[in-house]
Amino acid sequence: AQSVTQPDIHITVSEGASLELRCNYSYGATPYLFWYVQSPGQGLQLLLKYFSGDTLVQGIKGFEAEFKRSQSSFNLRKPSVHWSDAAEYFCAVGPMDSNYQLIWGAGTKLIIKP
Amino acid sequence: DGGITQSPKYLFRKEGQNVTLSCEQNLNHDAMYWYRQDPGQGLRLIYYSQIVNDFQKGDIAEGYSVSREKKESFPLTVTSAQKNPTAFYLCASRKSGGPGYGYTFGSGTRLTVV
Repeated sequence: AQSVTQPDIHITVSEGASLELRCNYSYGATPYLFWYVQSPGQGLQLLLKYFSGDTLVQGIKGFEAEFKRSQSSFNLRKPSVHWSDAAEYFCAVGPMDSNYQLIWGAGTKLIIKP
Repeated sequence: DGGITQSPKYLFRKEGQNVTLSCEQNLNHDAMYWYRQDPGQGLRLIYYSQIVNDFQKGDIAEGYSVSREKKESFPLTVTSAQKNPTAFYLCASRKSGGPGYGYTFGSGTRLTVV
């Protein structure tokens, strides 16, 4: 079955520290991969996406993600977090065919310690 | 600037009432989606539409109805048959032409049963 797993429900990081949010997927073929961020009470904003090519992709707000086919992972990273990064982060995957619905992870809530 | 507008931001429903959530986009996107978000459950697809006058059920369509009479509009009606409608509802749209286009989200409607 197709699925996306974000193993960490919550992550707490000190301001200025590095961040890695994990995303693993189960899919029959190489999917399109996305990371979105949601601030409280708001909609989701696209951070970055991977289709093909360079497995390290750069996104907005200083985030990057690395696609590792052998591990079926697409982890999100940031070298130094800011208090404004506190939000919920969602990983999603989508097929490469015409009936393309995104499959969503349950989200990881990022808490920033001052 | 183009975007998706959801209204109202907050909505209160009495038991047994139908309520309609509005979603309007001026992005000229073909596909539109409705998601329900509950704490710790990520996003669950209610309905989606890829062209005008056509829509499909998602994973949790029971108790909901939609229409797509115009490309710009995709209203969601939460009927009295939906037993637990209290949730955060998100509307999204996407440009057709390939699965690589990410979703654009509205800012959501929080529905509470009183």
